[in-house]
Amino acid sequence: DVKVTQSSRYLVKRTGEKVFLECVQDMDHENMFWYRQDPGLGLRLIYFSYDVKMKEKGDIPEGYSVSREKKERFSLILESASTNQTSMYLCASSFSQKVGGNTIYFGEGSWLTVV
Amino acid sequence: SQKIEQNSEALNIQEGKTATLTCNYTNYSPAYLQWYRQDPGRGPVFLLLIRENEKEKRKERLKVTFDTTLKQSLFHITASQPADSATYLCALGNTPLVFGKGTRLSVIA
Repeated sequence: DVKVTQSSRYLVKRTGEKVFLECVQDMDHENMFWYRQDPGLGLRLIYFSYDVKMKEKGDIPEGYSVSREKKERFSLILESASTNQTSMYLCASSFSQKVGGNTIYFGEGSWLTVV
Repeated sequence: SQKIEQNSEALNIQEGKTATLTCNYTNYSPAYLQWYRQDPGRGPVFLLLIRENEKEKRKERLKVTFDTTLKQSLFHITASQPADSATYLCALGNTPLVFGKGTRLSVIA
């Protein structure tokens, strides 16, 4: 079974802190994604990556950055956490876009509260 | 811009009935459409994928249709059970997927 593992399930951070959310997948997927999910807003794409050291902005990249130094690992960084970044963060992965109709596999989610 | 709408935020049905969820889209011609299930506090899980040249796809009690003329997909759960209660998301495209906001289904015993 594909496994996407998010390092932290629940985090509480202070405003202004730098926050790292780590994600690891074990299926040698080329693509990795970070979404946030908020009530009434659905899943919104923050950043994604097609390959190592490569990143693309999604719909809501402001206030976030990402790092992909190894194929299996994709990190989301909140440079200076703010209360409006309190949310559930979901990491996901999939095979390369060259293969059409890729399903994506999600992690269990990280609940971040910024106080 | 691309837009995906799932017909209702919440749907309540009696156990044993067929649940039908709708996904409509505009400004898009997807080659694929997918459905995911999400339980509270968990990540979404893939259920079914249907291609534009397929009218219907089935998996156990699940059935998905895809009408590219109407720009609509219907997701059916037959003989619904309380364990089917969850939020169901439709998603379009290739990479990255674009998701609808989901429909929260409650199956009442």
